[in-house]
Amino acid sequence: DTAVSQTPKYLVTQMGNDKSIKCEQNLGHDTMYWYKQDSKKFLKIMFSYNNKELIINETVPNRFSPKSPDKAHLNLHINSLELGDSAVYFCASSTPGLPYEQYFGPGTRLTVT
Amino acid sequence: GENVEQHPSTLSVQEGDSAVIKCTYSDSASNYFPWYKQELGKGPQLIIDIRSNVGEKKDQRIAVTLNKTAKHFSLHITETQPEDSAVYFCAASTGGFKTIFGAGTRLFVKA
Repeated sequence: DTAVSQTPKYLVTQMGNDKSIKCEQNLGHDTMYWYKQDSKKFLKIMFSYNNKELIINETVPNRFSPKSPDKAHLNLHINSLELGDSAVYFCASSTPGLPYEQYFGPGTRLTVT
Repeated sequence: GENVEQHPSTLSVQEGDSAVIKCTYSDSASNYFPWYKQELGKGPQLIIDIRSNVGEKKDQRIAVTLNKTAKHFSLHITETQPEDSAVYFCAASTGGFKTIFGAGTRLFVKA
């Protein structure tokens, strides 16, 4: 009964490759997010989707392209991976309206070599 | 732009002592302030939150206080236990779809 799940948990790849991370939530939430957590644990929002529509794009390079096929899924595709993309990526979903309680997935640790 | 500052970055306490983590926010329109706990290898988990119309909220050993005038909010953990060791994040939201997180506090509880 995992509420927010992500695959894969670990991803090791070389510079220049293209990779995808998948996220699914079974909480019935309308809003989903992608966050990036760097090596210093700083957590920064990348994208927010509400009802499959992009709401927030936080000046993320256009090599990152989120896709929401339905309200329960939000995938992240990354083109031409760079060393600086190495981080842990978290998917989250939230309840509609205040208090916007967010539920996070277990994270995907991406390592670019 | 919006900013949330969190202090201290690292906190070490003896088991049974209290721990206090403080945050300040810049956007006066912020009206929701959650706190998250992140254990090693896991995603952040909401542990307590407070809305702008409330000054204090308590849930067993944890409590949060909010001073809207000063734009400060704090997390208080009493009777700390080794399992409280984790990274704690404060955050602020204006009620839209964007939540700004603090930089995190690594809490160590020594047995």
